[in-house]
Amino acid sequence: GDSVTQMEGPVTLSEEAFLTINCTYTATGYPSLFWYVQYPGEGLQLLLKATKADDKGSNKGFEATYRKETTSFHLEKGSVQVSDSAVYFCALSGGNYGGSQGNLIFGKGTKLSVKP
Amino acid sequence: DGGITQSPKYLFRKEGQNVTLSCEQNLNHDAMYWYRQDPGQGLRLIYYSQIVNDFQKGDIAEGYSVSREKKESFPLTVTSAQKNPTAFYLCASSVGHGDNQPQHFGDGTRLSIL
Repeated sequence: GDSVTQMEGPVTLSEEAFLTINCTYTATGYPSLFWYVQYPGEGLQLLLKATKADDKGSNKGFEATYRKETTSFHLEKGSVQVSDSAVYFCALSGGNYGGSQGNLIFGKGTKLSVKP
Repeated sequence: DGGITQSPKYLFRKEGQNVTLSCEQNLNHDAMYWYRQDPGQGLRLIYYSQIVNDFQKGDIAEGYSVSREKKESFPLTVTSAQKNPTAFYLCASSVGHGDNQPQHFGDGTRLSIL
């Protein structure tokens, strides 16, 4: 079935450092890809999404490009802030005809800590 | 503001007791979902509902039950058959199921055993 693999954390960076969180996927069909962020004690918030190959999702300085050739959707940010400390989840939705049976498939999450 | 409201934020269960977690949405979404989150394991799907009066089991439905009598409400009951219920429970909704649209999440309910 469909699956998502993202780099294990925790990731610790200094403020203003460059961030990359790797995410690769396995899916039948043509899934949509998402990054969600979870701040401590809260639910998940959609950070960005991409619905087809070569699409770039972006929001709040974060970016991710849908790479079909490498089945990847890596999250990047040029200069992180302390307020970016959170857990980041990569996810895919394959639609009703994909291996995920219409459901969201999540990676296990990557915890990011940004130090001042 | 439109959104998803989960209550209570914290819940305690005694041995042998059933407890019900509330989830309400005013987004006019057809599809709703319940996830369980344990440390280091990401999110696991318990149940989902594509439309009123219909629901399907997810990956870890044993020991849980749901109902969908109204479009805006999707309560989850953690029964006494669930032997390890301590976890963070998240409710979500989406416009439709299987349409590749994002899901919107509530702020969660943390369930603990007394």
